[in-house]
Amino acid sequence: DAKTTQPNSMESNEEEPVHLPCNHSTISGTDYIHWYRQLPSQGPEYVIHGLTSNVNNRMASLAIAEDRKSSTLILHRATLRDAAVYYCILRDRNSGNTPLVFGKGTRLSVIA
Amino acid sequence: ETGVTQTPRHLVMGMTNKKSLKCEQHLGHNAMYWYKQSAKKPLELMFVYNFKEQTENNSVPSRFSPECPNSSHLFLHLHTLQPEDSALYLCASSQAVAWRTNTGELFFGEGSRLTVL
Repeated sequence: DAKTTQPNSMESNEEEPVHLPCNHSTISGTDYIHWYRQLPSQGPEYVIHGLTSNVNNRMASLAIAEDRKSSTLILHRATLRDAAVYYCILRDRNSGNTPLVFGKGTRLSVIA
Repeated sequence: ETGVTQTPRHLVMGMTNKKSLKCEQHLGHNAMYWYKQSAKKPLELMFVYNFKEQTENNSVPSRFSPECPNSSHLFLHLHTLQPEDSALYLCASSQAVAWRTNTGELFFGEGSRLTVL
């Protein structure tokens, strides 16, 4: 699976939008972009995923660049509960049942 | 509540002990995984089981021995561990078939925090 690059840490004020960037310049045409997050003392949880078009769900939005070499996870109104490590992961749709490979992610701090 | 339950949540053991970690999923999934998360390190994949068959062993030392008796249960047997094996051990499950359409979301348990003295 292709590699992703994320900032080590970011900080946001509560109730403000947060844009978490991810670079994946070597993405292939069959790679999906997945985001997971890990809250303190918990296992990771799925946030969102997409291929080419922007995606929205109840947790977040995913904005994908036109050339697909970067993407941004958007939390529309950060809450204290959103403080977590966010992982951007590429997953080849043709790679069968191989599991997710996690990088270091971005540690998001939310300030009240 | 993710539908994946791990026990025990905390375990302290000596280097000569034998213990086991248990994972149970109530989601009807057919793939299960063990990950290891050491302090300040990314999650490391250890083992993968698809339809009860081990399909991946990520160069894990033999002192870690997995067992998957059925699609709902996964064990990690531990013996003669080292202090550097102290970590959070996370179990996950997914619907393996869904990987073909790449919607195979992984569901994680809360982990078993292991301390080896």
